[in-house]
Amino acid sequence: AQTVTQSQPEMSVQEAETVTLSCTYDTSESDYYLFWYKQPPSRQMILVIRQEAYKQQNATENRFSVNFQKAAKSFSLKISDSQLGDAAMYFCAYRRVFTGNQFYFGTGTSLTVIP
Amino acid sequence: NAGVTQTPKFQVLKTGQSMTLQCAQDMNHEYMSWYRQDPGMGLRLIHYSVGAGITDQGEVPNGYNVSRSTTEDFPLRLLSAAPSQTSVYFCASRRQGSADTQYFGPGTRLTVL
Repeated sequence: AQTVTQSQPEMSVQEAETVTLSCTYDTSESDYYLFWYKQPPSRQMILVIRQEAYKQQNATENRFSVNFQKAAKSFSLKISDSQLGDAAMYFCAYRRVFTGNQFYFGTGTSLTVIP
Repeated sequence: NAGVTQTPKFQVLKTGQSMTLQCAQDMNHEYMSWYRQDPGMGLRLIHYSVGAGITDQGEVPNGYNVSRSTTEDFPLRLLSAAPSQTSVYFCASRRQGSADTQYFGPGTRLTVL
């Protein structure tokens, strides 16, 4: 099975500052997808950003960007200009391209935003 | 669109009882999945389906059954509940296209006493 590792159980950031959440994964595949999901206290899982492994360019979505290092199997999430609403659990996830629907999730990072 | 809906939101069972967690989506998605979320373990895949009549096991299928008789519905059955099945359960769906986003339901918090 694939493994996804998030080594930071908790992180904190000052409002308006930048924070980076780490994720590493293990795979023998050359093509796959990587995701960051946000889970606020409401429990709803919300897609933050997605990266296709065949694309060298790092994905960005407004204040959210990733640093995708394919050789190192690393996929970190950078949140710029942090806002109080960014406080949540963040999960990194992996999915192969040619598979039914098997997503593999990391254990999550709890992000606190300090006013 | 209502998206992915799950019922009930909360449920308490006694050991040995059976029940069905309901999941429905109105987006005509081919793929549907069930996950459980436990503290410190992230989300783990229980069962998934790639279309009506087709299901397969995920990482942690023991103690659970699924069926997919329609595109819209994907119920999860607990045959004989055990305390180890206390968890938050999420249903998710997506279109068949390989790059498509997976949408999650709001979750069901299940407690087995």
